[in-house]
Amino acid sequence: QSVLTQPPSVSGAPGQRVTISCSGSSSNIGAPYDVHWYQQVPGTAPKVLIYDSTNRPSGVPDRFSGSKSGTAASLAITGLQAEDEADYYCQSYDRSLNSVIFGGGTQLTVL
Amino acid sequence: QLQLQESGSGLVKPSQTLSLTCAVSGGSMSGAHAWSWFRQRPGKGLEWIGQIYYSGSTYYNPSLKSRVTMSVDRSKNQFSLNLRSVTAADTAVFYCAREVAAAVNDWFDPWGQGTLVSVSS
Repeated sequence: QSVLTQPPSVSGAPGQRVTISCSGSSSNIGAPYDVHWYQQVPGTAPKVLIYDSTNRPSGVPDRFSGSKSGTAASLAITGLQAEDEADYYCQSYDRSLNSVIFGGGTQLTVL
Repeated sequence: QLQLQESGSGLVKPSQTLSLTCAVSGGSMSGAHAWSWFRQRPGKGLEWIGQIYYSGSTYYNPSLKSRVTMSVDRSKNQFSLNLRSVTAADTAVFYCAREVAAAVNDWFDPWGQGTLVSVSS
């Protein structure tokens, strides 16, 4: 059971917008610690999409955006493309566990 | 550009020690960055194992601390992971990554490609 809760799966048609939630608590996201998001295409290593809750590294399309409020964060993907089909993970820090923590991951299917 | 590459034994017997190395190329390990290990059990999510600095300072995930040791080889620009007393539950893909210092809490980039370690007799 992951400390950060994500939906196991989401789906959307090409061109649509989807959001992936990441729910935490007062000892992590609400502490407040930032949330970082990673994309993992099956069989490959994770790649950072969003850091510090809302920032995109260079090279990441602006179709990807992040937000945070209270004890939760969200990743939004607009203009869905087939290449977006992957697993997405949120990451933060928990001061009670004294550890880096991840969500359980969300599998995105592009219909 | 910075690249990380994991290597080590792909098969370890139960109760033995899993040993992996992460070679860093395209840049030096020296500096303020920490260097971390992760694992991903088959079909599961990511788990942070711990971090090491160029100085040799370490911090481990409390849930694994009793079995983990990390070290750095400055002459080879690489760092290593030892996980003791392994069981089948330790079968996973292991990744190494550079920790990027952030204003509040760090993130990880780049990552190595990962290496599968199976624990079986």
